[in-house]
Amino acid sequence: DAMVIQNPRYQVTQFGKPVTLSCSQTLNHNVMYWYQQKSSQAPKLLFHYYDKDFNNEADTPDNFQSRRPNTSFCFLDIRSPGLGDAAMYLCATSRDDSSYNEQFFGPGTRLTVL
Amino acid sequence: GQQLNQSPQSMFIQEGEDVSMNCTSSSIFNTWLWYKQDPGEGPVLLIALYKAGELTSNGRLTAQFGITRKDSFLNISASIPSDVGIYFCAGSDSGGGADGLTFGKGTHLIIQP
Repeated sequence: DAMVIQNPRYQVTQFGKPVTLSCSQTLNHNVMYWYQQKSSQAPKLLFHYYDKDFNNEADTPDNFQSRRPNTSFCFLDIRSPGLGDAAMYLCATSRDDSSYNEQFFGPGTRLTVL
Repeated sequence: GQQLNQSPQSMFIQEGEDVSMNCTSSSIFNTWLWYKQDPGEGPVLLIALYKAGELTSNGRLTAQFGITRKDSFLNISASIPSDVGIYFCAGSDSGGGADGLTFGKGTHLIIQP
């Protein structure tokens, strides 16, 4: 089945220690998104890639970076995690050849910062 | 930025009851989406709405895109235990398929035995 895969499902890091979360997709969608979801809150968009074009949200901290080496993979890098960065990180994809923005989410990576 | 007002925040119902939740916005959206999220998992798309006034069903779920494009509701008929979870509405104002979604704050559905 075509799907969005996130690894790892659970990640523990130390305060200030860089961490990378990964996302891969078999849907062949050209748009990939990263959302941050804190406990009991709605997902919040951090940035997205439209093919190779990176689109950052205005209020996304510089601490968060992303890479998309090819269509299937996208990475979220947190350069110096703080305690406030503990959250569920969700990857999503969509196809831009239609007028509709249906986004399909992966299972998420729950990040704990010690 | 855009905001979606989703209500109710939580619902406590008996198995077999019907459920209704809604979202409103101060601005127009071109697409309304309804997702369900189970604990520790990503949101799963339930229904997508594209046209003002559109009424769409998916099994026991029915959703409508408001005629003004500023609101939507989701109904669940004859609730069952696996309906428990958090339901999010999400809107997109993009004319194409590449834009982040704006989410409501979610409706937490709890089914009492």
